Amino acid sequence: SYVLTQPPSVSVAPGQTARITCGGNNIGSKSVHWYQQKPGQAPVLVVYDDSDRPSGIPERFSGSNSGNTATLTISRVEAGDEADYYCQVWDSSSDHPGVFGGGTKLTVL
Amino acid sequence: EVQLLESGGGLVQPGGSLRLSCAASGFTFSDYAMTWVRQAPGKGLEWVSAISGSGGTTYYADSVKGRFTISRDNSKNTLYLQMNSLRAEDTAVYYCAKPISPLYAFDIWGQGTMVTVSS
Repeated sequence: SYVLTQPPSVSVAPGQTARITCGGNNIGSKSVHWYQQKPGQAPVLVVYDDSDRPSGIPERFSGSNSGNTATLTISRVEAGDEADYYCQVWDSSSDHPGVFGGGTKLTVL
Repeated sequence: EVQLLESGGGLVQPGGSLRLSCAASGFTFSDYAMTWVRQAPGKGLEWVSAISGSGGTTYYADSVKGRFTISRDNSKNTLYLQMNSLRAEDTAVYYCAKPISPLYAFDIWGQGTMVTVSS
């Protein structure tokens, strides 16, 4: 089955740019979605279809996807961005198509 | 307002059964595939199962295949997850989620319901 690999943690100072990667075999050929989850809360979709933002998500959140790596970029990081972030794809060629990455804890220093 | 509300969680002994429900409102339920995602305590998100809008197509993670059954009642705008032969490793918060069709990006999530499998 398809595997998505994320770094366990990323740290960034306020106002700087955070980049969270999601690795997968030829992931550039798939549509990648990103979720933010804060403690005790349900996940929130922040980027879908590689680089689109749902309504209400700040422009500071952006995404890209090419080759074997997709990236979530958070510009001008704020304290409130501290959360776990998960990438996800739907592998339609598989019998079990839903796939999440292991998650990345973003710490704002 | 688009909303999902899960119910049915609780404490169950290993080998037992439980049925989760997810009541949907604010959108045309039958137009959307639906999914269940779980999260064990302190762990990441794990996709569990999905069902097409008509209910005719279902998908399962290997970890639950043969034990869990996803279904839906479009007349009641409700999604279900029947969980049998429960194991300790099934202990998790279970979320139902609605996708941005047809991308299977999940834009609406319920608040989750906790399932604890323990003797």
